[in-house]
Amino acid sequence: GDSVTQMEGPVTLSEEAFLTINCTYTATGYPSLFWYVQYPGEGLQLLLKATKADDKGSNKGFEATYRKETTSFHLEKGSVQVSDSAVYFCALSDPLQGAQKLVFGQGTRLTINP
Amino acid sequence: GAGVSQSPSNKVTEKGKDVELRCDPISGHTALYWYRQSLGQGLEFLIYFQGNSAPDKSGLPSDRFSAERTGGSVSTLTIQRTQQEDSAVYLCASSLRWGRGANVLTFGAGSRLTVL
Repeated sequence: GDSVTQMEGPVTLSEEAFLTINCTYTATGYPSLFWYVQYPGEGLQLLLKATKADDKGSNKGFEATYRKETTSFHLEKGSVQVSDSAVYFCALSDPLQGAQKLVFGQGTRLTINP
Repeated sequence: GAGVSQSPSNKVTEKGKDVELRCDPISGHTALYWYRQSLGQGLEFLIYFQGNSAPDKSGLPSDRFSAERTGGSVSTLTIQRTQQEDSAVYLCASSLRWGRGANVLTFGAGSRLTVL
């Protein structure tokens, strides 16, 4: 079945550091890819998405590029802030498996120290 | 409403009791989803509703779990004879679009269930 594997956490960085959280996927179809973020005490929020190969999703300084050849969707940010501390989830929806169902990775907890 | 509302936010119950968790989706969202977030298990899909029907119940872990949706709006997830392994945060989400193409879910803050 479809699956998402993301970099294990926790990840701790200093403010203004460069961030990469790796995400790779396995899917039978041609999935759409997402990054969701969960801030402390809040629900999951969509951070960015990409629906086809070579698409780049971006939001709040975060970027991720849909790489079909490497089945990856790594999340990057050039300069992190304390307010970016959260749990980040990579996810896919596969039209062949029912686009309604998101398959999530395990989540990566990110802590940014001032 | 403005967002997806879930209640209760926290529930502590004794093993063997039944619990009901409620989800009030965004007005007009036809699709509704339940997920479970457990320590060490990540986010697991439980069930999906389109309107009042549930075309995909494949994630319900056992027959102790059931869900219904009425009036194409509010949904209730019921867990009968709760077990300690049911302890988790139960997340509800809704979406405006369904079918092929990117599907953007809006999540509620979750209901944290603790079974003693």
